[in-house]
Amino acid sequence: DGGITQSPKYLFRKEGQNVTLSCEQNLNHDAMYWYRQDPGQGLRLIYYSQIVNDFQKGDIAEGYSVSREKKESFPLTVTSAQKNPTAFYLCASSWTESSYEQYFGPGTRLTVT
Amino acid sequence: QQQVKQSPQSLIVQKGGISIINCAYENTAFDYFPWYQQFPGKGPALLIAIRPDVSEKKEGRFTISFNKSAKQFSLHIMDSQPGDSATYFCAASKGTSGTYKYIFGTGTRLKVLA
Repeated sequence: DGGITQSPKYLFRKEGQNVTLSCEQNLNHDAMYWYRQDPGQGLRLIYYSQIVNDFQKGDIAEGYSVSREKKESFPLTVTSAQKNPTAFYLCASSWTESSYEQYFGPGTRLTVT
Repeated sequence: QQQVKQSPQSLIVQKGGISIINCAYENTAFDYFPWYQQFPGKGPALLIAIRPDVSEKKEGRFTISFNKSAKQFSLHIMDSQPGDSATYFCAASKGTSGTYKYIFGTGTRLKVLA
């Protein structure tokens, strides 16, 4: 059953704590992406990765970090430096050769209090 | 120049009616325009997409109309059903070295009345 999994679905943290969101895909896609979604706003790109051990900042990378040690995994760490971390986080993946389609996971809702 | 403007913010349509959502872009380098459908608490799902070399693409009840000169594209949902009630996002992308970064519109919340 191919797809993208994100865990957990809901995550609660206290302010000042770092938290890591999981994203795994078994689609054999090369590229992976992290987006943030806030109410009434479109999806905004945090980080993306085209290949293992390489990643680039998106439009709102401040306060976030990522790693890409395996092709199928792209975890996102929300650090204490992120001023407004409460949001819905979406992971996506795609081929990098002649394909534009991005496929999204089910998302993780992070609440920081 | 990187923005994609989407309207309306919300839309209410009677069952069987036509739902129309519009998007406008500025960057003429964009060359791929997808529409995503998102249900509450779920990730967006690709609905339909178009490249600028065609003016219209139809898949079932969903049609994209594309106006390259006006830099606008729209989603038409024919025979709208209550199950179509969701948030719809347009996006635009410019392929660069194998990575296709999307710029998303702000979304349209569609409600289809039974």
